[in-house]
Amino acid sequence: SQQGEEDPQALSIQEGENATMNCSYKTSINNLQWYRQNSGRGLVHLILIRSNEREKHSGRLRVTLDTSKKSSSLLITASRAADTASYFCATDVGTGNQFYFGTGTSLTVIP
Amino acid sequence: EAGVAQSPRYKIIEKRQSVAFWCNPISGHATLYWYQQILGQGPKLLIQFQNNGVVDDSQLPKDRFSAERLKGVDSTLKIQPAKLEDSAVYLCASSFLTMPPTQYFGPGTRLTVL
Repeated sequence: SQQGEEDPQALSIQEGENATMNCSYKTSINNLQWYRQNSGRGLVHLILIRSNEREKHSGRLRVTLDTSKKSSSLLITASRAADTASYFCATDVGTGNQFYFGTGTSLTVIP
Repeated sequence: EAGVAQSPRYKIIEKRQSVAFWCNPISGHATLYWYQQILGQGPKLLIQFQNNGVVDDSQLPKDRFSAERLKGVDSTLKIQPAKLEDSAVYLCASSFLTMPPTQYFGPGTRLTVL
C-alpha cells in the first residue's frame, strides 16, 4: 500500500498549546498535502509542500518535509478549540497526480 | 463560488441491492476523484477522471463498482451488488489541471449497507 501513516493516532491538548503530528510514507512523492476534516464536514485543504521544499508556513501552520526519511510534520501553533478535527497527510505520487491519504491524527483541543 | 455537490447525503440499503451516487464538480475543474472513506480510516482513491477519461482506477473493485463521467462534467459512482463492507462515506473531489493540483472535496455520501 502507498498509504501514509500519521502519528500519533490521537492527540489531546489545552487551548493555546502547540500541536505536532507526523506523517510517514513509503514511496517517492511529487508533493505532500495536509487536509483537515471536522466532524460531519468534508475534507479541507490546508497546505502543500513540494518535494524540493523543506519547510512552509501558512498562518499558524508550519509544515516540514524530509524526503530522505520519507516523513513530514504539521505544527499548529497557539491551538484553538476550533482546530479540533482529524488531520490527514496526502502524498501525490506518480505521473497522474494520484493522492494517497494517511490514516489520520485525531486532534482534540480542550478550551 | 459553488463547491462540489454530492447527492444523496445519506443512503441506507440492504446487502445485494444496488446504489448510485452523483457528483457535480466545481465549474472548470477537469479532474474528478472518487474516494471511499471507511470509519476511522483515511480516504482511499477509487477512481480518477481527467475530463471524461479514466486516469487511474487501480483500486476500484470492478466486479461491483462502476463509474462514469459523461461530457467531462458530472459523474456517477455505482455499486451493484452492495456488500456489508461497502458501508462508508463516498467522497467526490475535483481540481484544476494545475500542477500541483489542489483537491476540493464535496460533503460526501454516507452509505450504510444492512
